Amino acid sequence: EAGVTQFPSHSVIEKGQTVTLRCDPISGHDNLYWYRRVMGKEIKFLLHFVKESKQDESGMPNNRFLAERTGGTYSTLKVQPAELEDSGVYFCASSQEWGTEAFFGQGTRLTVV
Amino acid sequence: RKEVEQDPGPFNVPEGATVAFNCTYSNSASQSFFWYRQDCRKEPKLLMSVYSSGNEDGRFTAQLNRASQYISLLIRDSKLSDSATYLCAMSDGRTSGTYKYIFGTGTRLKVLA
Repeated sequence: EAGVTQFPSHSVIEKGQTVTLRCDPISGHDNLYWYRRVMGKEIKFLLHFVKESKQDESGMPNNRFLAERTGGTYSTLKVQPAELEDSGVYFCASSQEWGTEAFFGQGTRLTVV
Repeated sequence: RKEVEQDPGPFNVPEGATVAFNCTYSNSASQSFFWYRQDCRKEPKLLMSVYSSGNEDGRFTAQLNRASQYISLLIRDSKLSDSATYLCAMSDGRTSGTYKYIFGTGTRLKVLA
């Protein structure tokens, strides 16, 4: 069974540009999460989808970040315009039910220069 | 105070040693608890869930102490391959209908030959 997959694995963009990250959760997992790890810090929650609905987006840093999950399958996270402090590793995770184990993708390492 | 706190380490132990990590949490409504392992520049991978009755998987034992609000991970007979960062994670319960996972900063373990 395929795990959580993320694309791209790395992205280097200039400040002010736009980047879109994609996450394909494990098939059948209704819950999809986005997390971010900035160097030296803990993994921080960004938002949680249940199917196509945003259940909790309390961790989104600001309105430059937009996440979507049309159709309740894959999800995208767009950063527009990117700032230097957006650099970090963006992880996506999925779980089958609330409160059960979450499985992570390999992450997208975003560098804004 | 952080919601989840871990000693960042590093814990340097010889092969064969027993090592234990604790992770304290502040939200008494937390309901599900997990230990993840993260290797350098990789995604977190689920190591084990932590049940109220404790959980053992080979050389690894996880415990939950609700009264004192901490979980623990015990590794017996440490192997070189156990060297990694160990992250604790917990869901914050149905306080707002969400089940986002909160992570600690991780504890670095180095097993020395």
